[in-house]
Amino acid sequence: KQEVTQIPAALSVPEGENLVLNCSFTDSAIYNLQWFRQDPGKGLTSLLLIQSSQREQTSGRLNASLDKSSGRSTLYIAASQPGDSATYLCAGYMEYGNKLVFGAGTILRVKS
Amino acid sequence: DTGVSQDPRHKITKRGQNVTFRCDPISEHNRLYWYRQTLGQGPEFLTYFQNEAQLEKSRLLSDRFSAERPKGSFSTLEIQRTEQGDSAMYLCASSLGYRGEVETQYFGPGTRLLVL
Repeated sequence: KQEVTQIPAALSVPEGENLVLNCSFTDSAIYNLQWFRQDPGKGLTSLLLIQSSQREQTSGRLNASLDKSSGRSTLYIAASQPGDSATYLCAGYMEYGNKLVFGAGTILRVKS
Repeated sequence: DTGVSQDPRHKITKRGQNVTFRCDPISEHNRLYWYRQTLGQGPEFLTYFQNEAQLEKSRLLSDRFSAERPKGSFSTLEIQRTEQGDSAMYLCASSLGYRGEVETQYFGPGTRLLVL
């Protein structure tokens, strides 16, 4: 059974810091990886999707990388802002177009 | 394009009652997914439709759960004889996917269920 671990479970940083969130899979045979943001009591907002042929994706201050050989992904957030405070979830696609397998998330708090 | 919508947003029910949730996907999205999320955990896959066909069901989906997607548009998830362990956020997602292609799943706001 595929298990996804996200480290750290929670993180509190001052505004302006650069930070890295980590995600690892027990089974490195994932096809694609997606990072999401979830605000309290809300649904999921897709941030970045890394396809199987790619190693990283960038959107604004966010950069996500995927090392399929080790089954690890990182999400880098540059110049963090209080509005970045949320739970960040990584999820892997185990088969083409089917279900996502999620980690438990990293709760991020950016203090002003 | 108004995104994925779910109704109701919140539901409180008594143990043993039946509940039904609705999901309206992004128009023209052919794939629809249901996930369940409990407090402090990531979402867990429940079931998946390609158009009107239910192609995969998780072992989490007991006999008390049933999902439909008539005509390949909106979907409903029914829970019969609810139990306190069913209390969770139920999330719906949709995507436009074709065989061999990877697509982004877009999630709705969820329906939060509390079983008393």
